[in-house]
Amino acid sequence: NAGVMQNPRHLVRRRGQEARLRCSPMKGHSHVYWYRQLPEEGLKFMVYLQKENIIDESGMPKERFSAEFPKEGPSILRIQQVVRGDSAAYFCASSLYRDTYEQYFGPGTRLTVT
Amino acid sequence: AQTVTQSQPEMSVQEAETVTLSCTYDTSESDYYLFWYKQPPSRQMILVIRQEAYKQQNATENRFSVNFQKAAKSFSLKISDSQLGDAAMYFCARPGPGANSKLTFGKGITLSVRP
Repeated sequence: NAGVMQNPRHLVRRRGQEARLRCSPMKGHSHVYWYRQLPEEGLKFMVYLQKENIIDESGMPKERFSAEFPKEGPSILRIQQVVRGDSAAYFCASSLYRDTYEQYFGPGTRLTVT
Repeated sequence: AQTVTQSQPEMSVQEAETVTLSCTYDTSESDYYLFWYKQPPSRQMILVIRQEAYKQQNATENRFSVNFQKAAKSFSLKISDSQLGDAAMYFCARPGPGANSKLTFGKGITLSVRP
């Protein structure tokens, strides 16, 4: 059973460009979470999605950031018009059930904005 | 605010010795989960151990065990017989805030293992 997959692993964007981060959850998992990790910090929750629905986006900046988890295909975290402060590691996690809170993490995407 | 506090930014342990990593948290709930995650240099987040608050028995996974003090809201991780591969950042986490299953993480502890 393959783990959570994220790609790309490293992404370099210039200020003002768009960044698209992809996450394929573990097989059978329908709950996806995105977290951001700034240098020397813990992970901070951004958004929680189930298939085709955003359940909780309380941690996501109101502007420039969006997320989706379509019926078919990976979950996408999209950052428009990136700025230097967006440079971070972005982690995706998935879970089979919501109530166990047991989340399995992908390897992360390190975004560098130049 | 629902917080998770890891007050020790760094710790060091001699190989084969035992080390305890501290974590405290804030909650108004009576039933909840607590987690320790390991993040090695590869940055992959690995679930080390999980504790269910309604269970009085402390969770154990091989060399890893927890000391869960519910009244004190303390959740420490004990690593026995430390190995070089245990060197990593360790994060304490709990679900919330709110009803959804997002996790709130502490700032982490960097553990180094001396050969």
